[in-house]
Amino acid sequence: AQSVTQLDSHVSVSEGTPVLLRCNYSSSYSPSLFWYVQHPNKGLQLLLKYTSAATLVKGINGFEAEFKKSETSFHLTKPSAHMSDAAEYFCVVSPRYNNNDMRFGAGTRLTVKP
Amino acid sequence: DAGVIQSPRHEVTEMGQEVTLRCKPISGHNSLFWYRQTMMRGLELLIYFNNNVPIDDSGMPEDRFSAKMPNASFSTLKIQPSEPRDSAVYFCASSLGATGANVLTFGAGSRLTVL
Repeated sequence: AQSVTQLDSHVSVSEGTPVLLRCNYSSSYSPSLFWYVQHPNKGLQLLLKYTSAATLVKGINGFEAEFKKSETSFHLTKPSAHMSDAAEYFCVVSPRYNNNDMRFGAGTRLTVKP
Repeated sequence: DAGVIQSPRHEVTEMGQEVTLRCKPISGHNSLFWYRQTMMRGLELLIYFNNNVPIDDSGMPEDRFSAKMPNASFSTLKIQPSEPRDSAVYFCASSLGATGANVLTFGAGSRLTVL
């Protein structure tokens, strides 16, 4: 069984300051982990993914995430927030070898203040 | 590629009417997913197809919902009869392969309002 918990439903930062969106997961299998972003009235778009290679994963738009097995975490970070980063972010866990049990987190809404 | 194409983008209907949502996945992708998104429940997987065959439909809420994938380039999600509680955004997504490492490409969604 798998589950994912996004620890904050809403995060607010000022433009130019760091972003941290927290995600913890539980998996009975070797997991694949993803972060997707959803801008208002749009579909979800992949930011980055972890499968089995480097534990520090770099994604689009300056985002990165680190897979920490000991902490069962996959937190998303960005050094400097931009206004265009305001969106909903979803952490996703999936068994690495099949699509049958992919789980989405509840989402974290990121607000960026000028 | 134009991405995953969903239609209609918006649908407003009255309770009891039949609703059909359509999805064209990315050419060559062999897995297709239907999700429902609401404020209360977030993103819920309704059904998952692999090579046009339904693999997991445990998320389909009840018999009013049905989904088909007659070929690799087309899928429908039908609600009959529709109810106000079906109001949501319905997303279709496709991926290449059937492993959990595959990335989902989402359509822009179909926003359904049932009055």
